[in-house]
Amino acid sequence: GAGVSQSPSNKVTEKGKDVELRCDPISGHTALYWYRQSLGQGLEFLIYFQGNSAPDKSGLPSDRFSAERTGGSVSTLTIQRTQQEDSAVYLCASSYDRNTYEQYFGPGTRLTVT
Amino acid sequence: GDSVTQMEGPVTLSEEAFLTINCTYTATGYPSLFWYVQYPGEGLQLLLKATKADDKGSNKGFEATYRKETTSFHLEKGSVQVSDSAVYFCALEGVYGGATNKLIFGTGTLLAVQP
Repeated sequence: GAGVSQSPSNKVTEKGKDVELRCDPISGHTALYWYRQSLGQGLEFLIYFQGNSAPDKSGLPSDRFSAERTGGSVSTLTIQRTQQEDSAVYLCASSYDRNTYEQYFGPGTRLTVT
Repeated sequence: GDSVTQMEGPVTLSEEAFLTINCTYTATGYPSLFWYVQYPGEGLQLLLKATKADDKGSNKGFEATYRKETTSFHLEKGSVQVSDSAVYFCALEGVYGGATNKLIFGTGTLLAVQP
């Protein structure tokens, strides 16, 4: 079946612009996670959704970052007023439910802020 | 807080050599442990997992045993191939705030296997 998909695969934006990153989880997966992979910080957790609610937003680095999930499916991560330190690969993962240990990762969106 | 420490890379081996990548963790409670692999140009893939002490995860010739007494989950393979060249991430997953099963990753270890 289809895996986790993310779009765009690459995004180059100017400092100060807003960007939206999209994640389509595996059909039927109720848990969805966003992570960020950067040279300086490694792989770090950003936010977790169970259904449409986000019980854990503890990894969002600042209030410029927000995310939503609609219909228990697609999720959008929005970064406002982008900064150069936001440059990273943003990864989305999903799992059947929060008690299922395996998270399936998408290919990521490479964000470059110039 | 919970954390994962894995050996720095790069690790360079000849084909058919024995591989060990060390991983230790710090966690409250009893987390599940994972090895993920990222092949060049590809996304993260689960390689193997162990959910309780003394469990051994295995896949594609790789093995790792959950050692609670040494808080370790070292990755081993008896005979590596060029196709094993990738970045390997050790990770733990625990329940945080009663709600989140987030993954906490090590920094990754680059493995380069030469023919």
